[in-house]
Amino acid sequence: DAKTTQPPSMDCAEGRAANLPCNHSTISGNEYVYWYRQIHSQGPQYIIHGLKNNETNEMASLIITEDRKSSTLILPHATLRDTAVYYCIVRGARDYKLSFGAGTTVTVRA
Amino acid sequence: DGGITQSPKYLFRKEGQNVTLSCEQNLNHDAMYWYRQDPGQGLRLIYYSQIVNDFQKGDIAEGYSVSREKKESFPLTVTSAQKNPTAFYLCASNPDRRDRDYGYTFGSGTRLTVV
Repeated sequence: DAKTTQPPSMDCAEGRAANLPCNHSTISGNEYVYWYRQIHSQGPQYIIHGLKNNETNEMASLIITEDRKSSTLILPHATLRDTAVYYCIVRGARDYKLSFGAGTTVTVRA
Repeated sequence: DGGITQSPKYLFRKEGQNVTLSCEQNLNHDAMYWYRQDPGQGLRLIYYSQIVNDFQKGDIAEGYSVSREKKESFPLTVTSAQKNPTAFYLCASNPDRRDRDYGYTFGSGTRLTVV
């Protein structure tokens, strides 16, 4: 069963920030929030993950609310190559698998 | 460069035939996984292996078989018992360490079509 809820789709203008929301209201204390993306007909690509602190890497930033019931992935300057399906996943450190839902289809427009 | 190699990229199978999908990694990862993806849907876990010579069923293992004779290799056989095998198959791996958390690395996938 999916532990996260994401909007099915969103558009973003090239060069602008893309903010992708994710609800995970049943998250438990030892579960991480992961983000992956999948460009058409390719394998998913790891973006970022976090437990409770905000995280940033060269690809994106992850903002997790204080109660950890929701999070936002931020792509700071979206490009056409960022068009993909983005998956928000909740996983415990000792879980053996990732549970993928339908994700958010992000379309970056010129 | 380290990574996961899946082959072939495209595979066509006649009904009633078994086919084997290859997955090789040179990342020295302990854990390996097979997922299936149908059009417009998320990924579903078929099998996973955390160590050599051991593997576990995932959510949709019926009609599939695997082996893990080497750390680097985790082939998936789609048998004739799998009623609807046409799908995109993805292999993944991760270090499976408990001291910290790691992201998964995925292969580029094999698209299987039954003709």
